[in-house]
Amino acid sequence: AQKVTQAQTEISVVEKEDVTLDCVYETRDTTYYLFWYKQPPSGELVFLIRRNSFDEQNEISGRYSWNFQKSTSSFNFTITASQVVDSAVYFCALLGYSSASKIIFGSGTRLSIRP
Amino acid sequence: NAGVTQTPKFQVLKTGQSMTLQCAQDMNHEYMSWYRQDPGMGLRLIHYSVGAGITDQGEVPNGYNVSRSTTEDFPLRLLSAAPSQTSVYFCASSSPGGSSSYEQYFGPGTRLTVT
Repeated sequence: AQKVTQAQTEISVVEKEDVTLDCVYETRDTTYYLFWYKQPPSGELVFLIRRNSFDEQNEISGRYSWNFQKSTSSFNFTITASQVVDSAVYFCALLGYSSASKIIFGSGTRLSIRP
Repeated sequence: NAGVTQTPKFQVLKTGQSMTLQCAQDMNHEYMSWYRQDPGMGLRLIHYSVGAGITDQGEVPNGYNVSRSTTEDFPLRLLSAAPSQTSVYFCASSSPGGSSSYEQYFGPGTRLTVT
């Protein structure tokens, strides 16, 4: 069975602080993909990153970075120097290779950045 | 490209009524999925399809039917609407190949209220 756990339901920080969103996953597949999506208050779902299970290199994109650790089954997302525009719900998701297109999402973390 | 389109954007149904949520994509993606989003529950997979003529159940399929007669279209049918089906519904498409393999492209969503 596949499972994604985002234990942090809500996080609130002051602008310019760094913040890390946790994601823990479970899968029996050795080949799998992990994703992060952003859902701003307007409601659309925005793709942020895809990582496959064979690539454990950390990824950095501007103020965003991702830490993938197979040893702890985690794929955490860090926003450096947060901004008000980062306020959104963030979802982590998992696709096991044996599951075709059956992507499972976590319950999401609501991030609020206070000015 | 229009990407993934969904109609209608809003719908109010009475208990027991049936209706079809429309989803279409113009990216020639093989995979299509339907999700529902409820507060605190993240995105839950209802049904998905890996190609025309092939569909399968996700996590919460009860009360919904799907069919996939063409690559482009993936309608979701509510058989007999219930208040528990009040939710926001997202359709998504993806492809197993290419530089954006398995990246889900989401439609704008349909907000459904069942009274």
